[in-house]
Amino acid sequence: GIQVEQSPPDLILQEGANSTLRCNFSDSVNNLQWFHQNPWGQLINLFYIPSGTKQNGRLSATTVATERYSLLYISSSQTTDSGVYFCAVINAGKSTFGDGTTLTVKP
Amino acid sequence: GAVVSQHPSRVICKSGTSVKIECRSLDFQATTMFWYRQFPKKSLMLMATSNEGSKATYEQGVEKDKFLINHASLTLSTLTVTSAHPEDSSFYICSARQQGGGYTFGSGTRLTVV
Repeated sequence: GIQVEQSPPDLILQEGANSTLRCNFSDSVNNLQWFHQNPWGQLINLFYIPSGTKQNGRLSATTVATERYSLLYISSSQTTDSGVYFCAVINAGKSTFGDGTTLTVKP
Repeated sequence: GAVVSQHPSRVICKSGTSVKIECRSLDFQATTMFWYRQFPKKSLMLMATSNEGSKATYEQGVEKDKFLINHASLTLSTLTVTSAHPEDSSFYICSARQQGGGYTFGSGTRLTVV
């Protein structure tokens, strides 16, 4: 099946710093989403981005489908950004999640 | 936006009993819903695809007799963990496909079997 790799696995930032999270996938995909899982386990949809670039406040995402990767940018990070960030690719109706990037933002 | 409600959010049960988890699409119809399992500090693993009015499709290695899925209406899918054992303790999450193509997830159910 399709492989999804996220990097880095762990990231520690000082509040106010910027960061880039990466998601590589091994095959063509129909869709791609980025999620944030908060410390209580709740999955929050950040972006549905099969291709192109989207922005939402301090977050933005870019997917280059032809090169099989997606990037999530977090600018001016805040402590509330802490948690695990997952990308999930959807192919033939099935979602495959990466292992996530655990982000810790320190005050 | 599309909202998926999942209940309960947390449940503790005794070994040998069964637990039912509900997943509802609140403001849209979902002919297909998905059930995932997440182990601590791990990613989400797709367990099964729930199809309204027909049998669920289980992923390889998932026991269909252990994890019963029912999708009786366009807004409700249920996952029943039967004869629960401590190794069934996990975080279970459902999702449904939105009209725009993305997927909305429920808030998850943390199951602890004692």
